[in-house]
Amino acid sequence: EIVLTQTPGTLSLSPGERATLSCRASQSVSSSYLSWYQQKPGQAPRVLIYGASSRATGIPDRFSGSGSGTDFTLTISGLEPEDFAVYYCQLYGSSPPRYTFGQGTKLEIK
Amino acid sequence: QVQLQESGPGLVKPSQTLSLTCTVSGDSIISGSYYWSWIRQSAGKGLEWIGRIYARGNTNSNPSLKNRVTMSMDTSKNQFSLNLSSVTAADTAVYYCARLIGYSYHDSWGQGTLVIVSS
Repeated sequence: EIVLTQTPGTLSLSPGERATLSCRASQSVSSSYLSWYQQKPGQAPRVLIYGASSRATGIPDRFSGSGSGTDFTLTISGLEPEDFAVYYCQLYGSSPPRYTFGQGTKLEIK
Repeated sequence: QVQLQESGPGLVKPSQTLSLTCTVSGDSIISGSYYWSWIRQSAGKGLEWIGRIYARGNTNSNPSLKNRVTMSMDTSKNQFSLNLSSVTAADTAVYYCARLIGYSYHDSWGQGTLVIVSS
């Protein structure tokens, strides 16, 4: 079973700053199956990035994803007040079929 | 625009079966190449994928749930359902249904429904 580890657990930044969130897989994975979600209190997660680097429909271009192999990054350039939330990475694995989530990074206002 | 809505009892007794339904609007659950997933979120364990069902009724579930999961579709109502048997307090969580794009990501989610397992 592949484990996703997200760091840091909590990230404290100010609006306007750049946020860099990490998701590390316990073994090399296909970037095609790595996605990122944003979740605000009381809401369902919302997909931001799929295929490691493709923005989902309607997602602002300040959100970007990168990475390959075991290391993936979500970058938010120029934080807006509405960006403070919890972020999760998710991976699809095929043998057997399953979806794994990281434990999340909480992005909080400094 | 597709919308999903979970429904079902908010309280289930230990050892009983948790049953939830997801009603889909704005898309047919048997059209296209979508899978439909169940995902839960508990305070202690974060997000956990439960299983997925495809238009033809093919299903896959999380091995960690040890064969307690059954999923089905009602195409006449455009709904899909989850049964989780032999529940314990550890199954207390917010349960979400979601649409899965290809094998890759969940693009649309229900609002979630809280299920508490307690006597």
